[in-house]
Amino acid sequence: QKEVEQDPGPLSVPEGAIVSLNCTYSNSAFQYFMWYRQYSRKGPELLMYTYSSGNKEDGRFTAQVDKSSKYISLFIRDSQPSDSATYLCAMRASNTGKLIFGQGTTLQVKP
Amino acid sequence: DTGVSQNPRHKITKRGQNVTFRCDPISEHNRLYWYRQTLGQGPEFLTYFQNEAQLEKSRLLSDRFSAERPKGSFSTLEIQRTEQGDSAMYLCASSPGGDPEAFFGQGTRLTVV
Repeated sequence: QKEVEQDPGPLSVPEGAIVSLNCTYSNSAFQYFMWYRQYSRKGPELLMYTYSSGNKEDGRFTAQVDKSSKYISLFIRDSQPSDSATYLCAMRASNTGKLIFGQGTTLQVKP
Repeated sequence: DTGVSQNPRHKITKRGQNVTFRCDPISEHNRLYWYRQTLGQGPEFLTYFQNEAQLEKSRLLSDRFSAERPKGSFSTLEIQRTEQGDSAMYLCASSPGGDPEAFFGQGTRLTVV
């Protein structure tokens, strides 16, 4: 079993929809939780990170962490065609710099 | 451009040849990371440095792989005796100190033929 599980999709939604992306994990030592966006043949771009449990909002993006369930989510409001990309969750423990990534979910937002 | 810079962007090499990639981190970021990403997968951790010290290495980093950061600035990743299974995107990232925010470069795409 992988330490971080993420449904690869693809996920297809109409423009303006609310998108929910999720990851589960098994390592209770994880303290930092990140979401990256990756366009085809480009490097991952950091969207936001959360420390421990709770919510964090940045514009149209909201990240949630539920450590009791070992479950994290990224919500995208008012999705746009430019949001079409692969979304990667990543997480790490506090005593290491090593990030563990999920497989990535491919999102397509149709005009 | 003040982001993470990786060179070359693409490399095609014959099986058995050695290749070396370079990464220039964001200025003043003292942590530097190397990851490998294959098609349809998330990046896999290879190794990371704090300044010139290599703090952690994945067991994925076989004897054929070596990484250096001699002066605590740029880093090189060398693969010796390349194999077809080494074909992947090699990503470099940097972060300031222990901050969790790691910023990635555009990667070096390696094709072994």
